[in-house]
Amino acid sequence: NAGVMQNPRHLVRRRGQEARLRCSPMKGHSHVYWYRQLPEEGLKFMVYLQKENIIDESGMPKERFSAEFPKEGPSILRIQQVVRGDSAAYFCASSRDTLELNTEAFFGQGTRLTVV
Amino acid sequence: AQSVTQLGSHVSVSEGALVLLRCNYSSSVPPYLFWYVQYPNQGLQLLLKYTSAATLVKGINGFEAEFKKSETSFHLTKPSAHMSDAAEYFCAVSDRNDKIIFGKGTRLHILP
Repeated sequence: NAGVMQNPRHLVRRRGQEARLRCSPMKGHSHVYWYRQLPEEGLKFMVYLQKENIIDESGMPKERFSAEFPKEGPSILRIQQVVRGDSAAYFCASSRDTLELNTEAFFGQGTRLTVV
Repeated sequence: AQSVTQLGSHVSVSEGALVLLRCNYSSSVPPYLFWYVQYPNQGLQLLLKYTSAATLVKGINGFEAEFKKSETSFHLTKPSAHMSDAAEYFCAVSDRNDKIIFGKGTRLHILP
């Protein structure tokens, strides 16, 4: 059973371009969480999705950022018109059920976005 | 709302010495508490978690943590540090509903 797969591992974008980050959860997992890690900072929650639904997006910037988790395929975190401040490591985690049911969230290795 | 405070962004211990990484939490409901480890350029790996069973939780790689409700603490310890323990450690809390909230992390340095 492969772990949480994120691709690409490294992504370089020029200011104003779009960045698409992909996350394939573990097999059987229908809950996906996205986090952003800035240098010398902890992981900041961005969004929590369950198949085709956004459950909690309280950590998402109001503009330029969007996330989806379609019925088929990976979860996508999309950043439009990237700026230098978007440079960070973006981590995805998945779980089989909600955390209330004492399930574990497994993390991917992250995508490191550099905006030049 | 939940929050986590990790005391000390950098901690250095000698190889073979006790490791103590401090974590205090705030939660309006009985929390789940976690410690994760992150090696350079890697994702996060769960070390251990507290989910309201035993207050002393044993994890992987010889680490353990004790939940102290009166002190709202969940400090991570290991009796004898090994060079391979050098990494960044994150304490985290969940209100069980959805997200996990992380502290800012403590980078552990092991001195030979």
